[in-house]
Amino acid sequence: GAVVSQHPSRVICKSGTSVKIECRSLDFQATTMFWYRQFPKQSLMLMATSNEGSKATYEQGVEKDKFLINHASLTLSTLTVTSAHPEDSSFYICSAPKPGTSTDTQYFGPGTRLTVL
Amino acid sequence: SQQGEEDPQALSIQEGENATMNCSYKTSINNLQWYRQNSGRGLVHLILIRSNEREKHSGRLRVTLDTSKKSSSLLITASRAADTASYFCATRRSTGKLIFGQGTTLQVKP
Repeated sequence: GAVVSQHPSRVICKSGTSVKIECRSLDFQATTMFWYRQFPKQSLMLMATSNEGSKATYEQGVEKDKFLINHASLTLSTLTVTSAHPEDSSFYICSAPKPGTSTDTQYFGPGTRLTVL
Repeated sequence: SQQGEEDPQALSIQEGENATMNCSYKTSINNLQWYRQNSGRGLVHLILIRSNEREKHSGRLRVTLDTSKKSSSLLITASRAADTASYFCATRRSTGKLIFGQGTTLQVKP
């Protein structure tokens, strides 16, 4: 089956630093990827839609200058949390629909746990 | 709010019993999907039901969809301790976005 990977799986950083999270589709090309955030014991909240070769589309309430998304190739989208603060600590998950299948089928990465001290 | 509602928020049952989780949503959908998440891990896709379907089965899973009530249910029969996880419904919008419900945390006691 299709595989989506994320790197790193876990990151701890100091307040004020920036953190980059990578999402890769390993065996298919993804023109679109989705980024979600999940706080402890809560559901996944869609943050943004990452579009290859164009600007990301952000959900209401998500600061685009704080959460920078770059989808520079058909297999890689990156989410950079800029000037991270403790309230940004969360579980970040990406997903991608596989071309050639219905976009009903999305493949999720294993997630990245960000802890900001 | 993006999210629909799921109930119960938490469910604790004995191994062998059936577990039923419900999901309600707010807008028109193309399909509804159920996912499972073990603690601190990624999501596993369980089953998808399209808006023109009313019921679907997959192994020990049975999903129903009532578009007039904007609700769905997931039934897990003959539960096992390994079924302990959080379960989320997600509705697919026409843009391809998946909007997740609040989730049900299921504990199956051996």
